[in-house]
Amino acid sequence: SQQGEEDPQALSIQEGENATMNCSYKTSINNLQWYRQNSGRGLVHLILIRSNEREKHSGRLRVTLDTSKKSSSLLITASRAADTASYFCATVPLSNDYKLSFGAGTTVTVRA
Amino acid sequence: SQTIHQWPATLVQPVGSPLSLECTVEGTSNPNLYWYRQAAGRGLQLLFYSVGIGQISSEVPQNLSASRPQDRQFILSSKKLLLSDSGFYLCAWSVQGAGEKLFFGSGTQLSVL
Repeated sequence: SQQGEEDPQALSIQEGENATMNCSYKTSINNLQWYRQNSGRGLVHLILIRSNEREKHSGRLRVTLDTSKKSSSLLITASRAADTASYFCATVPLSNDYKLSFGAGTTVTVRA
Repeated sequence: SQTIHQWPATLVQPVGSPLSLECTVEGTSNPNLYWYRQAAGRGLQLLFYSVGIGQISSEVPQNLSASRPQDRQFILSSKKLLLSDSGFYLCAWSVQGAGEKLFFGSGTQLSVL
């Protein structure tokens, strides 16, 4: 079952702008991860944030986690055409931390 | 460095035919192994995961099965495919342990006609 739900489903921005997408989940988690998928390809891990962390940065990526609201956000700054992809959050539940459950994803299109 | 191989890249099969998708990992030992399925434009559905040889956990009761005959080999099978089995199948691995990040293969696009 899908635990995470991304919002919005689709996002179209101009190159150079920032892209923000959100993920909400239902149960207590060990950690939350974000992945990117280019069309027809496998997923690539972007960043992992643990339940005791509130914010994490990696290059142009910034992830926040609010466990009280059971939500996370992914910010991509200064977007590029190469950032065009689908982005998924995945949650690792405390009940079984071998299982990663993925949301339906946010499709980001960066216009040149 | 570690690599994951998944084949074939595309597969077209008639309804009722058998299925065998193979996934192998190189450059690591005792990985956790996963099979996910992705419907067009949708998220990933966890089908099976394995934390060791012969240890398979099934998440979705259906006509698919998985086996791990060797430490770094994960096989997804079906005796008789259904139309609803169509989708994009992804194999993934993580280092031994819980809650680790996944490394995905390039996927198999399965069309059941």
